[in-house]
Amino acid sequence: QKEVEQDPGPLSVPEGAIVSLNCTYSNSAFQYFMWYRQYSRKGPELLMYTYSSGNKEDGRFTAQVDKSSKYISLFIRDSQPSDSATYLCAMSSSGGYNKLIFGAGTRLAVHP
Amino acid sequence: GAVVSQHPSWVICKSGTSVKIECRSLDFQATTMFWYRQFPKQSLMLMATSNEGSKATYEQGVEKDKFLINHASLTLSTLTVTSAHPEDSSFYICSARPAGAWDTQYFGPGTRLTVL
Repeated sequence: QKEVEQDPGPLSVPEGAIVSLNCTYSNSAFQYFMWYRQYSRKGPELLMYTYSSGNKEDGRFTAQVDKSSKYISLFIRDSQPSDSATYLCAMSSSGGYNKLIFGAGTRLAVHP
Repeated sequence: GAVVSQHPSWVICKSGTSVKIECRSLDFQATTMFWYRQFPKQSLMLMATSNEGSKATYEQGVEKDKFLINHASLTLSTLTVTSAHPEDSSFYICSARPAGAWDTQYFGPGTRLTVL
């Protein structure tokens, strides 16, 4: 069993839709949770960073962490074609000091 | 700020040759740099962690004699793929953690290596 599971998609939605991306994990020691966006042939770009359980909002993006269920989510409101990318969840047990464990990434396509 | 560059962005080489990839933090000092490999439609797999001035720590299954990592300064780390073979073809991405910032890594744009 992988430490981090993420549905690879692809996920195709119309412009303006609400997108829900999810990851599950097995290691209860994870406390730091991140979402990265990766455009084709580019390096990942940090979108959201949360510590422990709870919600965090930044513009059209909301990250949720449910440690009791070992489940994290990223919601994108009013999705735009420019949101089309691969979204990777990542987590660690001690912030940047420990290595990041990445999910496989979900490919998202937002069509006009 | 927090820009990480990689050079080259892509490289094609013949089997048996060695290839060096550079990773630079342009506007900050990075005490720690990480090297990842990403195969098509797969996630990033950490290869090694390098701290400035010391030997790199390799992940299990990564051959240290094949993937040579040097972190000679606070702004530069290099990955050399020695005696490259077609199975080494992949997307190599570095990341850098700023000095004093324990909670984040900034990623480079990646280097696509194709070994013929």
